[in-house]
Amino acid sequence: SQQGEEDPQALSIQEGENATMNCSYKTSINNLQWYRQNSGRGLVHLILIRSNEREKHSGRLRVTLDTSKKSSSLLITASRAADTASYFCATGMDSSYKLIFGSGTRLLVRP
Amino acid sequence: KAGVTQTPRYLIKTRGQQVTLSCSPISGHRSVSWYQQTPGQGLQFLFEYFSETQRNKGNFPGRFSGRQFSNSRSEMNVSTLELGDSALYLCASSLKVSPGLTLQETQYFGPGTRLLVL
Repeated sequence: SQQGEEDPQALSIQEGENATMNCSYKTSINNLQWYRQNSGRGLVHLILIRSNEREKHSGRLRVTLDTSKKSSSLLITASRAADTASYFCATGMDSSYKLIFGSGTRLLVRP
Repeated sequence: KAGVTQTPRYLIKTRGQQVTLSCSPISGHRSVSWYQQTPGQGLQFLFEYFSETQRNKGNFPGRFSGRQFSNSRSEMNVSTLELGDSALYLCASSLKVSPGLTLQETQYFGPGTRLLVL
């Protein structure tokens, strides 16, 4: 079963605009990770935020984590057509490497 | 460094057959995890191996099994294939220095093996 629910399920924006995706989860976590997947291929790791962190940046990506609300958001600034992909959040809950993935957000960036 | 490699990339089988998928982790990575991705169920954890030992298992029937070799390469096997086993099977590797380490590291995914069961 999936722990995370992502919102929206699909997002269509114009190149240059910002894209925001949200993820909610159900249980306590050690960390939350965001991945990108292009057209049913492998997953590319974007960013990892630990449970004691509130915000993290990586290039055009900004991730926030609110453990009290059990939610996270991924912001992609100044989007490009190449950002078109599915984005997944995944939670890690203990010392294992088991990740529980959300349902994903399909992002379309129109040129 | 070469990334995670998975073979074969595509596979077509018929119901009742069995299949073995292979995963070679990034050099130096000792943890290998397997995931199944389907349109209906999304991405689901199958199992994780570290130092040739299965450390975690997802909620899948016993038809799904795996193993890890001393060089960290891993295989997963699905016996008595069912139509519902059609999926993208993804392997991920991590640099894990000790079993009890609580600091979770990034997982690097391979391109996947797309299995079609007819």
